[in-house]
Amino acid sequence: AQSVSQHNHHVILSEAASLELGCNYSYGGTVNLFWYVQYPGQHLQLLLKYFSGDPLVKGIKGFEAEFIKSKFSFNLRKPSVQWSDTAEYFCAVTDNYGQNFVFGPGTRLSVLP
Amino acid sequence: DSGVTQTPKHLITATGQRVTLRCSPRSGDLSVYWYQQSLDQGLQFLIQYYNGEERAKGNILERFSAQQFPDLHSELNLSSLELGDSALYFCASSVGSNYGYTFGSGTRLTVV
Repeated sequence: AQSVSQHNHHVILSEAASLELGCNYSYGGTVNLFWYVQYPGQHLQLLLKYFSGDPLVKGIKGFEAEFIKSKFSFNLRKPSVQWSDTAEYFCAVTDNYGQNFVFGPGTRLSVLP
Repeated sequence: DSGVTQTPKHLITATGQRVTLRCSPRSGDLSVYWYQQSLDQGLQFLIQYYNGEERAKGNILERFSAQQFPDLHSELNLSSLELGDSALYFCASSVGSNYGYTFGSGTRLTVV
């Protein structure tokens, strides 16, 4: 069965700092990878997704993620965070057949103004 | 507005009661997924329906059941409610699950 781990439970940054949130998955086959964001009191929204091709994926709001197959990782990055990026971030993986969609435990990001 | 509609937004009920949560998927999406989000368990997959048929089951209790109707809306029924069932219940829909999900805004259930 697939599983997803996210390295950090809670990350606290100052505005303009760079962000990297770790995500590792365990699955031997071809995967599709996602990052979702949940702003306080809101639903999950898709930030970006990787299916195939260029392993560096650009998403909305200046976020990007890099798929490193050899490391089973899909880390989320942003060069300069803003206070409005304060939210919970979830990494998710599904196999190539679209089955077994699994979310990681989430990382809470707090950006200090 | 994500296009996935969940009602009600908030629900407060007593232990032992039964409630029904409703979800209307985004137009054109055939798959509906139900998730439970609580502070201690995180985001837990409950069940998936595809075009009216149950497709996958996750950590769904026997007290819980769901169905998807011909118009593709789905209902999640929670019965014999316990305090620990208090959580946010999200519905999501997709064309196919490997394309990512679109989430609704959730129903916050409080069992007192």
